Amino acid sequence: DTAVSQTPKYLVTQMGNDKSIKCEQNLGHDTMYWYKQDSKKFLKIMFSYNNKELIINETVPNRFSPKSPDKAHLNLHINSLELGDSAVYFCASSQAPSGYNEQFFGPGTRLTVL
Amino acid sequence: QKEVEQDPGPLSVPEGAIVSLNCTYSNSAFQYFMWYRQYSRKGPELLMYTYSSGNKEDGRFTAQVDKSSKYISLFIRDSQPSDSATYLCAFFYGNNRLAFGKGNQVVVIP
Repeated sequence: DTAVSQTPKYLVTQMGNDKSIKCEQNLGHDTMYWYKQDSKKFLKIMFSYNNKELIINETVPNRFSPKSPDKAHLNLHINSLELGDSAVYFCASSQAPSGYNEQFFGPGTRLTVL
Repeated sequence: QKEVEQDPGPLSVPEGAIVSLNCTYSNSAFQYFMWYRQYSRKGPELLMYTYSSGNKEDGRFTAQVDKSSKYISLFIRDSQPSDSATYLCAFFYGNNRLAFGKGNQVVVIP
């Protein structure tokens, strides 16, 4: 059983389109995250939700909008895609938002914007 | 100065060699020190973590932290081809935030 799953695994799209990536975790965790890993493998946090509430919002263009329908799901919607959005997007989850808790990562969604 | 510096490599070693990876950091707020392993086309997975200066061993892996020098290391003894991956140092601070290094790609040649 996959702990943190993402769909789709690959996404190829044209500039200017709008796309969504979905994430689900079956670990019973309260906190979920979106990370972006660029072509140089640099992994940077974008957002974090705790029990459907936004708790971390790094400096990310407002074309990116996370949505958490329940604590097991965190989706990422991207409007007006740009070439620079090409990257691998990872979802992660952890047990709680405070104190150290291991973050479990999904397999990633490789987004290519043409 | 960047918050985390990690020489991205890549690093190629023969099977059985010792692999040594390092990161330096500048943020004194970092509380926990971690190493993640990321296989090609997969998500990162936690390999080791520690919160104090000194060494921590887990099988063939040793994590070393020197808080006074703001320096962490990962050593892999008797390296195996299955250790071929990218290793990312990571630092926990504040509200469950993780700051990552750029990653070291390690290739262990049989």
